[in-house]
Amino acid sequence: GQNIDQPTEMTATEGAIVQINCTYQTSGFNGLFWYQQHAGEAPTFLSYNVLDGLEEKGRFSSFLSRSKGYSYLLLKELQMKDSASYLCAVRDSNYQLIWGAGTKLIIKP
Amino acid sequence: ETGVTQTPRHLVMGMTNKKSLKCEQHLGHNAMYWYKQSAKKPLELMFVYNFKEQTENNSVPSRFSPECPNSSHLFLHLHTLQPEDSALYLCASSPGTGDTGELFFGEGSRLTVL
Repeated sequence: GQNIDQPTEMTATEGAIVQINCTYQTSGFNGLFWYQQHAGEAPTFLSYNVLDGLEEKGRFSSFLSRSKGYSYLLLKELQMKDSASYLCAVRDSNYQLIWGAGTKLIIKP
Repeated sequence: ETGVTQTPRHLVMGMTNKKSLKCEQHLGHNAMYWYKQSAKKPLELMFVYNFKEQTENNSVPSRFSPECPNSSHLFLHLHTLQPEDSALYLCASSPGTGDTGELFFGEGSRLTVL
């Protein structure tokens, strides 16, 4: 079966750095996505990786290793507004999105 | 504001009621989706429409009935639901289904079945 694993919950301190990991086992691979979802709001697109390496976008970076079936989302200079759930999703060989259950990130002052 | 609007935002219904969820997108996209989001579970794809035609139905019970009158509007008709159907129902759109990359989600309709 297809599976996406990510931690259920993480806690970090304002101003610090946090890394949210995602491992996947899917039928083929056509890209990996990270979405952010604040409580009671719509999930919004953060990043897309299809080749190995690091993609940087401001305070957020996303890394992919296809050989290891592994990605992480790195958040720097954490702000209180970064408290949200972070969803990892992989597009498989049929171009279907397989979703993880999400990681709830709690930022403490 | 994601360009995808869902109504109602909250809905409470009994198991014998009939209600509908509405989704409208203002992005000019051709594909629309219904997802179910339950606490601590991955998003579950329910239905996919591309150019008003249903292209996917992920073994969803018949008590959920989708309708897509045009590329901008999507409905989910609900009848004789069960308490386990209580969840957040998310609508999403994308330019097409051949390249299901970035999805644009609505804020969801929180459904409670008593």
